[in-house]
Amino acid sequence: SQQGEEDPQALSIQEGENATMNCSYKTSINNLQWYRQNSGRGLVHLILIRSNEREKHSGRLRVTLDTSKKSSSLLITASRAADTASYFCATDAGGYNKLIFGAGTRLAVHP
Amino acid sequence: KAGVTQTPRYLIKTRGQQVTLSCSPISGHRSVSWYQQTPGQGLQFLFEYFSETQRNKGNFPGRFSGRQFSNSRSEMNVSTLELGDSALYLCASSLETSGVGEQFFGPGTRLTVL
Repeated sequence: SQQGEEDPQALSIQEGENATMNCSYKTSINNLQWYRQNSGRGLVHLILIRSNEREKHSGRLRVTLDTSKKSSSLLITASRAADTASYFCATDAGGYNKLIFGAGTRLAVHP
Repeated sequence: KAGVTQTPRYLIKTRGQQVTLSCSPISGHRSVSWYQQTPGQGLQFLFEYFSETQRNKGNFPGRFSGRQFSNSRSEMNVSTLELGDSALYLCASSLETSGVGEQFFGPGTRLTVL
């Protein structure tokens, strides 16, 4: 079963625009991670945010975490066509390297 | 450093057959996890191995099994294949030994069951 739900399921934007994806989860966590997947290939780790952190940046990525609302958001600024992919949040509620993934957001960035 | 490798990349089997998938983790990573990805169920955790021991298991039937060798390479086996086993099977390795850390995924093995 999946831990989280992501919103929106799909997002279509123009190059240069910002993209925001949201993730909600159900149980308490130690950390939350975001991954990217291009066209049914392997997942690429983007960022890990711990439960005692509220915001984290990595390049054009900004992740926030609100443990009181059990939610997280991923912001990609100045999107590029190469950002077209599916984005997943994953929580650690299962222990020992068990990630519980959300359903993902499909992002399409048009040139 | 070489990334996580998975073999084979594509596999076609028929119902009732069995299949073995292989995963080589990043050098130095002792934790290997397996995930199944389907359009209907999304990404689901199968199991995790560390130092040849299964430490964590997902909610899958006993037809799904795995093992890890002393060099950290891992295999997973699915016996008596069913149509619903058609999926992308992803392997991931991690340096994390006790909790849940960043995971490095391989390209996956796409299994089609006819």
